[in-house]
Amino acid sequence: QKEVEQNSGPLSVPEGAIASLNCTYSDRGSQSFFWYRQYSGKSPELIMSIYSNGDKEDGRFTAQLNKASQYVSLLIRDSQPSDSATYLCAVRQTGANNLFFGTGTRLTVIP
Amino acid sequence: DAGITQSPRYKITETGRQVTLMCHQTWSHSYMFWYRQDLGHGLRLIYYSAAADITDKGEVPDGYVVSRSKTENFPLTLESATRSQTSVYFCASSESGNGGTDTQYFGPGTRLTVL
Repeated sequence: QKEVEQNSGPLSVPEGAIASLNCTYSDRGSQSFFWYRQYSGKSPELIMSIYSNGDKEDGRFTAQLNKASQYVSLLIRDSQPSDSATYLCAVRQTGANNLFFGTGTRLTVIP
Repeated sequence: DAGITQSPRYKITETGRQVTLMCHQTWSHSYMFWYRQDLGHGLRLIYYSAAADITDKGEVPDGYVVSRSKTENFPLTLESATRSQTSVYFCASSESGNGGTDTQYFGPGTRLTVL
């Protein structure tokens, strides 16, 4: 079992819709959770970080963390074509200084 | 402009040659990381460093060497390049390794091709 798992997609949503990206992780003691966006040929850029159970909102983005179920999700409201990218989930496990990344979910927003 | 830079951005080399990829950050971040990104594998950690002169192995360290004599630089050396090391290499840095300041910021990447 991989430490961090994501549905590789591709996930296609129409412009203006809500895109929902999901991620599960194996280490129950994991403490830090991140969503990165990566455009083709570019480096990952941070979208959201979340450390506590519940929701965290930043503009059109909402990160949701459920430690009991070991999943973290990212909702993108009013999806735009510019949101088309690969979204990477990253988790810092207990006692670790580094992050474990999922393989990413490719999102396409259709105009 | 402050940030994290990598050089070269593109490199083609031959099997058996030594290659060094450079990473420089201007934030005075304590932690620095090297990842490789391959299709189907995502980002995998090669080595990381918690401070100058402190380095540790990640998930895929074989065939790579790192050093960190200065806080701002973290070079990655492929001692004898192999075709399996063809990949995109990303350097990253973070203020700390845990807590609210453990966000990692990535450099632009180096695309390495080993022929």
